[in-house]
Amino acid sequence: KNQVEQSPQSLIILEGKNCTLQCNYTVSPFSNLRWYKQDTGRGPVSLTIMTFSENTKSNGRYTATLDADTKQSSLHITASQLSDSASYICVVRADYGGSQGNLIFGKGTKLSVKP
Amino acid sequence: DVKVTQSSRYLVKRTGEKVFLECVQDMDHENMFWYRQDPGLGLRLIYFSYDVKMKEKGDIPEGYSVSREKKERFSLILESASTNQTSMYLCASSLGQPEAFFGQGTRLTVV
Repeated sequence: KNQVEQSPQSLIILEGKNCTLQCNYTVSPFSNLRWYKQDTGRGPVSLTIMTFSENTKSNGRYTATLDADTKQSSLHITASQLSDSASYICVVRADYGGSQGNLIFGKGTKLSVKP
Repeated sequence: DVKVTQSSRYLVKRTGEKVFLECVQDMDHENMFWYRQDPGLGLRLIYFSYDVKMKEKGDIPEGYSVSREKKERFSLILESASTNQTSMYLCASSLGQPEAFFGQGTRLTVV
């Protein structure tokens, strides 16, 4: 069964600290993996997308890694800011062909950054 | 920038009412999706459409229908709203390989 598991479920850190969020998946065949940031009451916004051949991708203070062998991804946030408080959702696309989506969503990690 | 616009941010409807949630995208995307998001359950796909007048059921289509008469517009219809349909509804669109762009969400409360 295709699944995406995220950990931790929630996380509280102090402003300025770093943190790492985890995503493990059992999606096959794998197409790509995406991290989204969702502010409270808003729609998700894409942070990074990674394909099978990519190990690391950065977007400002956000760095995503992908290990396709172990089917694990992480999102590392450097020097956290209060505005990083949000839910972070890992989404894996299964490559069944066609363009209809086949997106499998993790349940998200809720990050709270405290001053 | 791709823009996906949902017609309402907040809605309160009564049990049994017919409810329409509208979604419009401005980037000529073929694919459009409706999800609902509930605490502890994440996003779940209700319906998607890959072309005008085409629709496919997602994981939880019961109690919902959709309409796509024009490429840019995808409507979600709750035929007879029930309290268990209280949720955050998210519309998304994509072109081919999905970079899925999401709308801002509609928080629907059914009383």
